[in-house]
Amino acid sequence: GAGVSQSPSNKVTEKGKDVELRCDPISGHTALYWYRQSLGQGLEFLIYFQGNSAPDKSGLPSDRFSAERTGGSVSTLTIQRTQQEDSAVYLCASSLAGIQETQYFGPGTRLLVL
Amino acid sequence: KQEVTQIPAALSVPEGENLVLNCSFTDSAIYNLQWFRQDPGKGLTSLLLIQSSQREQTSGRLNASLDKSSGRSTLYIAASQPGDSATYLCAVPRGGATNKLIFGTGTLLAVQP
Repeated sequence: GAGVSQSPSNKVTEKGKDVELRCDPISGHTALYWYRQSLGQGLEFLIYFQGNSAPDKSGLPSDRFSAERTGGSVSTLTIQRTQQEDSAVYLCASSLAGIQETQYFGPGTRLLVL
Repeated sequence: KQEVTQIPAALSVPEGENLVLNCSFTDSAIYNLQWFRQDPGKGLTSLLLIQSSQREQTSGRLNASLDKSSGRSTLYIAASQPGDSATYLCAVPRGGATNKLIFGTGTLLAVQP
């Protein structure tokens, strides 16, 4: 079966522009996570969706970051007014519900803000 | 605040050697610990998940151990192969009964043919 997919695979944008990153989780996975991987900070948790519950946004670095998950499936991470420090690889993962469930990661979107 | 560190940051070994990667965490109240592998330009692949009640998990040539009281985990790779070259990351849940993960700093492994 298909794994987690993300698009675009690479994105170059100018400082101040908005970007949208997309994640298609594995079918049937109710949990979805966004992480960011940058040279200076390593891999950081951003936001977590579980079923119909309100998302856990505790990892978002600023109010320029937001995410949606429509119909319990596809998720979009939006970064408004991008800054150079937003340059990173944005990784999405999905899993079945439950703390002991393995997370399956997508290939990531490499974002470069010029 | 939970912090996860990995030693060494980088490791180069000749093919066939057995090796150990180390992971330490500051808060021992964890539900589980996971080891992941990341190939260049790719996402993460889960290798092993050890629950807090377990001390070891094995998968093929990989063996992961967990010592909660000392805040340590090791990943043992037997008979290393060039295909094992990758970055290895350990991760623990980010506080309480949650699957949000805090990742270690990673170990970049190179297995020389």
